[in-house]
Amino acid sequence: NAGVMQNPRHLVRRRGQEARLRCSPMKGHSHVYWYRQLPEEGLKFMVYLQKENIIDESGMPKERFSAEFPKEGPSILRIQQVVRGDSAAYFCASSEMMAGQAQETQYFGPGTRLLVL
Amino acid sequence: GNSVTQMEGPVTLSEEAFLTINCTYTATGYPSLFWYVQYPGEGLQLLLKATKADDKGSNKGFEATYRKETTSFHLEKGSVQVSDSAVYFCALRPGGYQKVTFGTGTKLQVIP
Repeated sequence: NAGVMQNPRHLVRRRGQEARLRCSPMKGHSHVYWYRQLPEEGLKFMVYLQKENIIDESGMPKERFSAEFPKEGPSILRIQQVVRGDSAAYFCASSEMMAGQAQETQYFGPGTRLLVL
Repeated sequence: GNSVTQMEGPVTLSEEAFLTINCTYTATGYPSLFWYVQYPGEGLQLLLKATKADDKGSNKGFEATYRKETTSFHLEKGSVQVSDSAVYFCALRPGGYQKVTFGTGTKLQVIP
């Protein structure tokens, strides 16, 4: 069973460009979470999604950031007009659903390391 | 709000030494507690977890006991190896909610 897949692993953008990060959850998982890790810091929650729904986006910056998890295909984290402060590692995690609830264990992907020049 | 506090690193140990990484938390209710490990350039891997008071999580020689009276979840290993060198994150997930709160991580370096 393949783990959580993220691509690209490394992404370089110039200020003002758009960054698009993809996450494919583990097979059978219907819940996706995005976290950001700044250098030398822990992970900070950004957003929690189920298929076609945003459940909790309390950690997302109000501007330039958006996330989706369509019925078909991977989850996408989109950052418009990137700035140097967006440089970080972005991790996706997924969990399965049982009895109508997301299970507590989240499995993480290898991350996308975004560098904004 | 919820928070996790870990001891600052880096922690440098000789091979076969005893390891303790302290972790305390603040949360309402009865959270689940986790330790994740991150090897250089990789994502986080779940190391162990405990879901209720007095539970002991264990994996690969690592152990941690959920202590509600001291709100702690310290990570221990009796004999570390060079291959254990990584960053260790303590985390909590409040009961009935999905957002996981992480500590800042503790870097462990094991030297031969």
